[in-house]
Amino acid sequence: EAQVTQNPRYLITVTGKKLTVTCSQNMNHEYMSWYRQDPGLGLRQIYYSMNVEVTDKGDVPEGYKVSRKEKRNFPLILESPSPNQTSLYFCASSPGTSGQRQYFGPGTRLTVL
Amino acid sequence: AQSVTQLDSQVPVFEEAPVELRCNYSSSVSVYLFWYVQYPNQGLQLLLKYLSGSTLVKGINGFEAEFNKSQTSFHLRKPSVHISDTAEYFCAVSEPNSGYALNFGKGTSLLVTP
Repeated sequence: EAQVTQNPRYLITVTGKKLTVTCSQNMNHEYMSWYRQDPGLGLRQIYYSMNVEVTDKGDVPEGYKVSRKEKRNFPLILESPSPNQTSLYFCASSPGTSGQRQYFGPGTRLTVL
Repeated sequence: AQSVTQLDSQVPVFEEAPVELRCNYSSSVSVYLFWYVQYPNQGLQLLLKYLSGSTLVKGINGFEAEFNKSQTSFHLRKPSVHISDTAEYFCAVSEPNSGYALNFGKGTSLLVTP
């Protein structure tokens, strides 16, 4: 089954404790992206990747890192989480042509105390 | 750069009534337009998309949308809603030559009641 998986689905952590949210897709997609969803703000893009070893900032990249060492994986790293990073995070992937739909993971709800 | 405005943050409607969720965009070039739906505690799913051609686009679950270039709108409609249509709906736009990034609206919460 074609899908995007994220882990963990729920995470409660404390300020400053490094964490990684994993994202994996099994569709051989070139494009992958991370979004955060906050009430009243919709989805905002954090980082995206056009292919292996190619990443770029989205609209709200501060406080986040990503890597794309393999085509299927695109982890989101929070080196020193802060409470304002409490949010619902979505990973998405898409084939490497514009106009194609993005496939979304189920989401990771992160709470930073 | 493109932007998307969803004119209603919440739309309450009775079951079996028609509904329209409004979306306007701004862009200086041609765009691709999408509607995504997010059911409670789930990720986003594509409802429909407009790339070119016929301005009336049919999607899943009985939804359709009409692209209006002069009004820069892409409103989503359904003639008769069900309780199960209760969800958050997002309009999104991308520009064909600016990569694959989607610019999302802030969402419209559709609440269908008996």
